[in-house]
Amino acid sequence: GENVEQHPSTLSVQEGDSAVIKCTYSDSASNYFPWYKQELGKGPQLIIDIRSNVGEKKDQRIAVTLNKTAKHFSLHITETQPEDSAVYFCAPQTGGFKTIFGAGTRLFVKA
Amino acid sequence: KAGVTQTPRYLIKTRGQQVTLSCSPISGHRSVSWYQQTPGQGLQFLFEYFSETQRNKGNFPGRFSGRQFSNSRSEMNVSTLELGDSALYLCASSSGGGTIRGEAFFGQGTRLTVV
Repeated sequence: GENVEQHPSTLSVQEGDSAVIKCTYSDSASNYFPWYKQELGKGPQLIIDIRSNVGEKKDQRIAVTLNKTAKHFSLHITETQPEDSAVYFCAPQTGGFKTIFGAGTRLFVKA
Repeated sequence: KAGVTQTPRYLIKTRGQQVTLSCSPISGHRSVSWYQQTPGQGLQFLFEYFSETQRNKGNFPGRFSGRQFSNSRSEMNVSTLELGDSALYLCASSSGGGTIRGEAFFGQGTRLTVV
């Protein structure tokens, strides 16, 4: 079956530093690779996504890189701020159109 | 544009009872997915509905069921509740018409507590 692994489970950085979260998936037919941010008491919210025909996408301080050969994609946050503190989930869409969420990464940004 | 609305926000039920949760998607969205979120298991996919048809299903027992109405609103039902069903149930809608489901817009969830 489909398998999604996300690392690390917890990440603590100093304000201004960069944070990188990696997601590995098993279904080679996966074609859509989003990252979601979940703040306390809220549902997850899309922050960036990438499709299988693109290797990298950037939106201000956030970027996503995709390596389809190795079946992993990563979230990069630069110049982290306290408001970036949240839980982040990768959620690749499988070839069977299911969305499988990673276990989540709790990011702490220390001021 | 109104977001995804889930009702009720909180529920307390007794073991053995059944419960129905409701989700109103964003206007124009035809795909509605349901997820169970617990601290130990993360976000687990329950099922997805598109145009009143179940299009995908996760690995949950038959006690969990759902349906979608012609206006795209969806309900999820859990029968014979168990303590382990206590969780945050999240609904997400997307336009969902193509081969890529695209961005999922989540509601705030229904917090179900089974006692």
